[in-house]
Amino acid sequence: NAGVTQTPKFRVLKTGQSMTLLCAQDMNHEYMYWYRQDPGMGLRLIHYSVGEGTTAKGEVPDGYNVSRLKKQNFLLGLESAAPSQTSVYFCASSFLNYEQYFGPGTRLTVT
Amino acid sequence: AQSVTQLDSQVPVFEEAPVELRCNYSSSVSVYLFWYVQYPNQGLQLLLKYLSGSTLVESINGFEAEFNKSQTSFHLRKPSVHISDTAEYFCAVSPTTSGTYKYIFGTGTRLKVLA
Repeated sequence: NAGVTQTPKFRVLKTGQSMTLLCAQDMNHEYMYWYRQDPGMGLRLIHYSVGEGTTAKGEVPDGYNVSRLKKQNFLLGLESAAPSQTSVYFCASSFLNYEQYFGPGTRLTVT
Repeated sequence: AQSVTQLDSQVPVFEEAPVELRCNYSSSVSVYLFWYVQYPNQGLQLLLKYLSGSTLVESINGFEAEFNKSQTSFHLRKPSVHISDTAEYFCAVSPTTSGTYKYIFGTGTRLKVLA
């Protein structure tokens, strides 16, 4: 039982490049989330999904897209990376509105 | 609408001293309450939760929190802290009504335990 895993763990991008972050969970959770964490800003929700094939915008969705084609996976895409997207990205999943299980994070630097 | 307020952004405390991390919330619906802990360079992990029943909940490593409905608070306490408790702590609420997503995290309190 791996819980929530994230790929990759670290990434450096140049401005304008694109990339996809992969989140996978093996707990059969319906709900999945993508957050970013910046110093002094706490956790900010980017997008979330309450089931396979559904996604919704969170607090800071601009510049990101997501897809939930399979229940166990939640992908976060950056189409044209900007320095303001330098952050630590966390994926999480939950059974309904109960506790969330977090992945280890992806540290992204955009130069 | 829901909101979570963690009044203290940083709390320094000496080892073996007691500590209280404050969390107040606002909600028009019934909520579940959570405390998460984040150690350096790791993701958040659940510390304890209140879903229903006894208003005093405990974690396996000596933390406890009490749900106070009248004061809309869920403060986290530990009678004697260790160096290893140094971490950031997040309070969170979510509505008890399934199908309604509104999970809210506080901005976090950084606990620094001093030797």
